[in-house]
Amino acid sequence: AQSVTQLDSQVPVFEEAPVELRCNYSSSVSVYLFWYVQYPNQGLQLLLKYLSGSTLVKGINGFEAEFNKSQTSFHLRKPSVHISDTAEYFCAVTLSGGYQKVTFGTGTKLQVIP
Amino acid sequence: GAVVSQHPSWVICKSGTSVKIECRSLDFQATTMFWYRQFPKQSLMLMATSNEGSKATYEQGVEKDKFLINHASLTLSTLTVTSAHPEDSSFYICSAARGGYNEQFFGPGTRLTVL
Repeated sequence: AQSVTQLDSQVPVFEEAPVELRCNYSSSVSVYLFWYVQYPNQGLQLLLKYLSGSTLVKGINGFEAEFNKSQTSFHLRKPSVHISDTAEYFCAVTLSGGYQKVTFGTGTKLQVIP
Repeated sequence: GAVVSQHPSWVICKSGTSVKIECRSLDFQATTMFWYRQFPKQSLMLMATSNEGSKATYEQGVEKDKFLINHASLTLSTLTVTSAHPEDSSFYICSAARGGYNEQFFGPGTRLTVL
């Protein structure tokens, strides 16, 4: 079975500074990887996904992530954060090749400080 | 496209009553729908997977008689929390997927508070 680890439960960062949210996964077979954002009392919004191809994935709101198979990582980055980026971010993994169960990480709370 | 709605967005009920939550895919046909539960400051935990016209598949530890799931059509799935108790208070989120999919589309969630 696959698993996802988000080591940082909270990440404070000043406005306009860069940020990296870490995600590591574990799986013996190939996977699809996702990053979702959740604002308070709302559902999840997809930021970006890696299915195959280029390991650098660009998403919405200026976020990007890089799939690193050797390090089994899929870290999320943004070069300059805004106050509006304050939210909970979830990394998720599913086995590749059509419908499979999605496993979510425990989430990272990004707190942007003005 | 790929919009999923949930109704109601929040509900407060008395202990012992049953509550129904609807999940609809508004602009696509969802062959598979999922129900998640999220406790405060925690991640999403999959409760069950439902395919249109068949019985739901529940995750280990989820009581199927307490959390009744009906996937009556390709655009509607319902979750009924029967005889709700305060410990059932949580944020319930559904998601929907198209056939042959690799991505789920999430609803906005339903906040259930049982008094």
